[in-house]
Amino acid sequence: EAGVTQSPTHLIKTRGQQATLRCSPISGHTSVYWYQQALGLGLQFLLWYDEGEERNRGNFPPRFSGRQFPNYSSELNVNALELEDSALYLCASSSPAGLNSPLHFGNGTRLTVT
Amino acid sequence: SQELEQSPQSLIVQEGKNLTINCTSSKTLYGLYWYKQKYGEGLIFLMMLQKGGEEKSHEKITAKLDEKKQQSSLHITASQPSHAGIYLCGAGSGAGSYQLTFGKGTKLSVIP
Repeated sequence: EAGVTQSPTHLIKTRGQQATLRCSPISGHTSVYWYQQALGLGLQFLLWYDEGEERNRGNFPPRFSGRQFPNYSSELNVNALELEDSALYLCASSSPAGLNSPLHFGNGTRLTVT
Repeated sequence: SQELEQSPQSLIVQEGKNLTINCTSSKTLYGLYWYKQKYGEGLIFLMMLQKGGEEKSHEKITAKLDEKKQQSSLHITASQPSHAGIYLCGAGSGAGSYQLTFGKGTKLSVIP
C-alpha cells in the first residue's frame, strides 16, 4: 500500500511569490491535514479537509489556503510568501473510521523563501 | 487550547541503555499518539493510546497512558542507534475534533 505522497520535495521561492504544494493521501483515506514545522516552533496545525470541504483551520493568515479534490488529493497554496514561511510542510491523511484514527504522514515539502 | 509538554527536550544515551520520554497534557487526553521523526522527514506512527491505564508495546518500545489520562510515557529498552530521532506525542483536542496537537518533541541520540 502506497503511503502519503507529497510533491515537490523541495521548493525555493522568492518573497512575495506564491507556492503550491501537493499531497496524495493513502488510498481509502478521505481526510487530509496540513501541518507546518518551522525551526524551533514544532508542528503547527494548518488545515483539515474531509470529503472535499475545509473542516477546520489553525491560527494562520488567509494567505494560507487550500483545497481537496474529488479524488481526495489536496493542494496547499501560500500567497505573498514571507521569509518566515520557510519550513517543512507535512501532509497527513486518515481513514473515515472516525475519531482517534491515527494520522499517517508524508515526507513533507521543504519550502525555502529567500 | 490543549498544550502538550514533552520532557526531556533532548536525550543522549549509550547504546544498550533504557530511557523514558514523558508527555504531559494541560487537559484530559482524547487519544494520545506517539510518532517518531528522522530529521527533515515525515512522522512515523508508533502507537495510539485511548484508555486510562492502557499500555502498548512494539518491539522494544512501550507506551503508557496514566489513569487520569493527562500524562503518557514512552519507554525504550536496550536502546539501539536505530532508535535515534525525534519523538513526538500528539493528542486530539477534544471529542469530535480530528486534528492533532503535538508536543515540541524529544530529540534522542544513541551513542554506539
